[in-house]
Amino acid sequence: EPEVTQTPSHQVTQMGQEVILRCVPISNHLYFYWYRQILGQKVEFLVSFYNNEISEKSEIFDDQFSVERPDGSNFTLKIRSTKLEDSAMYFCASRISNNQPQHFGDGTRLSIL
Amino acid sequence: QKEVEQDPGPLSVPEGAIVSLNCTYSNSAFQYFMWYRQYSRKGPELLMYTYSSGNKEDGRFTAQVDKSSKYISLFIRDSQPSDSATYLCATSTNYQKVTFGIGTKLQVIP
Repeated sequence: EPEVTQTPSHQVTQMGQEVILRCVPISNHLYFYWYRQILGQKVEFLVSFYNNEISEKSEIFDDQFSVERPDGSNFTLKIRSTKLEDSAMYFCASRISNNQPQHFGDGTRLSIL
Repeated sequence: QKEVEQDPGPLSVPEGAIVSLNCTYSNSAFQYFMWYRQYSRKGPELLMYTYSSGNKEDGRFTAQVDKSSKYISLFIRDSQPSDSATYLCATSTNYQKVTFGIGTKLQVIP
């Protein structure tokens, strides 16, 4: 069964450094998402992306965050200057069309030191 | 008021029991309802999804939505140790931004 793949599975970064999290959505999907889950808390929506532009973003997704679909298969989340509170699991999701739910990858655990 | 409320558990049941997992939500604009299963250190795995009120069955799993009371349920029949996981209820107005509950941790004891 097709799946969303995320790399790396664990990323350790010094505070203030830039980090890029990578995702390969399911190949025929058109809508892409990033979520995060801080340890012990809910999965929270960050951003949705369709047709090469952001369609919706949350309050969490401030100017330190950006997303990009650099080619036909990858979808990335960049955090420009990481903070300790950015430590979390980051999940990528995709869906094929309207009226179809999102499918999630296994996440990247981001640890900021 | 939290948008989606879910008892975090943990919930322990013997193998073969019927499990009932529940959520309530506050936003009447939510029309799409989902259940995801999350194993430790893994991503949410889609189990069931439904639009508006009613029941949906898939094997041992039944999802129920009652929009009049803003209540979402998942029933698992003949529970197995492999069902041990965290179950996340989730809602959306249009399958775009998904709002999750905290998740209920389920343990099925052999």
